[in-house]
Amino acid sequence: SSELTQDPAVSVASGQTVKITCQGDSLTTYHASWYQQKPGQAPVFVMYGRSTRPSGVPDRFSGSSSGNTASLTITGAQAEDEADYYCCSRDSSGTHRVFGGGTRLTVL
Amino acid sequence: QVQLQQWGAGLLKPSETLSLTCGVHGGSFSGFHWSWIRQPPGGGLEWLGEFDHSGTPNYHPSLKSRLTISVDSSKSQFSLILSSVTAADTAVYYCARFWRVGAFDVWGHGTVVTVSS
Repeated sequence: SSELTQDPAVSVASGQTVKITCQGDSLTTYHASWYQQKPGQAPVFVMYGRSTRPSGVPDRFSGSSSGNTASLTITGAQAEDEADYYCCSRDSSGTHRVFGGGTRLTVL
Repeated sequence: QVQLQQWGAGLLKPSETLSLTCGVHGGSFSGFHWSWIRQPPGGGLEWLGEFDHSGTPNYHPSLKSRLTISVDSSKSQFSLILSSVTAADTAVYYCARFWRVGAFDVWGHGTVVTVSS
């Protein structure tokens, strides 16, 4: 099991807001980064630091963090946002990197 | 724009050695961490290890005895060698660049590796 815990699946109605969370002790010390992966494709990073969006990522994506939980929020989810989302940070020792188990987002 | 192009054998028998290489095109090689990540069929992403900008390798604890990551900065390439593979090593293997702001910002296209007798 991963040291970063994500809900396996989340669904959202098109146009609504969804929050994808990532929990882990290391998140009290280290920021998480977030990746979107569509079937058959390599992951793409969509958030880093506390809440910084890379160039080209729609502003409906936002990030936040509180205590041991990092969150990725999509405000006004679109059909094209349907994908697997992974968080990544350090393990509890701070030595190695670790991914969360991933959250499959379904846009209804 | 930086691109990572990866290559290596995709079909191995148990106990053989997996060898993959990733070439960095269109950008600087120095100042980044060069990483390998894998994804088993139907599974999630697993960080395997990286070579940081100071020349120090850092490996996933469970793979440390079988894994070697090396860098050839003169060719802007980095490599993964995983020995004594088993079916559990069957996965898509990605090379990726870790940017110091805290994210894997560039990924290779992935190489499907199957271990089967």
